[in-house]
Amino acid sequence: ILNVEQSPQSLHVQEGDSTNFTCSFPSSNFYALHWYRWETAKSPEALFVMTLNGDEKKKGRISATLNTKEGYSYLYIKGSQPEDSATYLCAPDLLRSNDYKLSFGAGTTVTVRA
Amino acid sequence: DTAVSQTPKYLVTQMGNDKSIKCEQNLGHDTMYWYKQDSKKFLKIMFSYNNKELIINETVPNRFSPKSPDKAHLNLHINSLELGDSAVYFCASSQDKGVGDTQYFGPGTRLTVL
Repeated sequence: ILNVEQSPQSLHVQEGDSTNFTCSFPSSNFYALHWYRWETAKSPEALFVMTLNGDEKKKGRISATLNTKEGYSYLYIKGSQPEDSATYLCAPDLLRSNDYKLSFGAGTTVTVRA
Repeated sequence: DTAVSQTPKYLVTQMGNDKSIKCEQNLGHDTMYWYKQDSKKFLKIMFSYNNKELIINETVPNRFSPKSPDKAHLNLHINSLELGDSAVYFCASSQDKGVGDTQYFGPGTRLTVL
């Protein structure tokens, strides 16, 4: 069983505050890590894909880092806005049964309060 | 234009019935997927097709049968529906076979089996 864990499960942030949360995954058999943003009643949308240890990606106020040696990634939201409210999914490409497949975490649900 | 579309959006049916969910992508991608969102909100891969060829077939009851008439379409047929099949089913597509590739998701089909 491949464990992809995201912590915390949910968090509430005051508008304007910054926040971050984690994704941990098995460091062996790793190829890439994806972050998706999933708003209520919509489809998951890709934010980033990272492959190399130490990778950092940024999109507006959202950024992510990757540590493949210890098997974790952080996602940061700077100056949170109400439109940042969503569930953030991480999904590593992990080798399973001789093929790489995405394994999704359960997500961290972020609620930004105005 | 919707990149990945699914029909129907909602499906309510009786136990024992046979039903199909359709998926179409207009992105020109070679690979398509079906995911099931389980009761704990995890997205779990069911099937994947690359250029109409089945490449991922997870441990799914054989009542579920995917069919890809061309690389832009991947339909999911479910025979003898059971209560436990109630879930949200997501279709997705990616440019290539998925390793490191971003997946684009459809809006989901909420299946309720009574």
